[in-house]
Amino acid sequence: DVKVTQSSRYLVKRTGEKVFLECVQDMDHENMFWYRQDPGLGLRLIYFSYDVKMKEKGDIPEGYSVSREKKERFSLILESASTNQTSMYLCASSLSGLGKAFFGQGTRLTVV
Amino acid sequence: KNEVEQSPQNLTAQEGEFITINCSYSVGISALHWLQQHPGGGIVSLFMLSSGKKKHGRLIATINIQEKHSSLHITASHPRDSAVYICAVPIQGAQKLVFGQGTRLTINP
Repeated sequence: DVKVTQSSRYLVKRTGEKVFLECVQDMDHENMFWYRQDPGLGLRLIYFSYDVKMKEKGDIPEGYSVSREKKERFSLILESASTNQTSMYLCASSLSGLGKAFFGQGTRLTVV
Repeated sequence: KNEVEQSPQNLTAQEGEFITINCSYSVGISALHWLQQHPGGGIVSLFMLSSGKKKHGRLIATINIQEKHSSLHITASHPRDSAVYICAVPIQGAQKLVFGQGTRLTINP
């Protein structure tokens, strides 16, 4: 079965720090996604990537950037963390746009 | 108006009850996903369906493409079914998923 692994389950960072969230999938999927999930707002797409070095902005890309240097790894970067970026971050991958999506276990980030 | 709407937002039931969660969408789709999220955060894909009905154990998902509506049913519900259930539809050439707000289901023993 597909495994999507996020580097941390819980993370606490200080305001202004540069934060890296890493996601690795082991099934050679083209598509990878970063979402954040907040109470009452559901899952919102930050960025997605459909190939190595390719990226597309999602619905809420401000304050974030991404990197996909290898097919299996998709990194989310908070350039200068702020308290309003405290959230649950979820990575997902799929073989194609029509394929089943597989999610990581989530990273609960707290910015203090 | 959200493109994907779920109802109810919260549902509490007794063990053994038959559960129905509804999802309506306003965009044209090729398939619809049902996802389950347990406390702790991880999301599991339950179903992806484009027509008719799919069944897995006590879970049944149906979709009516003409009416743009899908339902997730749980038969003989159990406390371990307590979770948030989310429906999602692909848009933008099927590269992106749009999510419903989720239904928080609590099954009491």
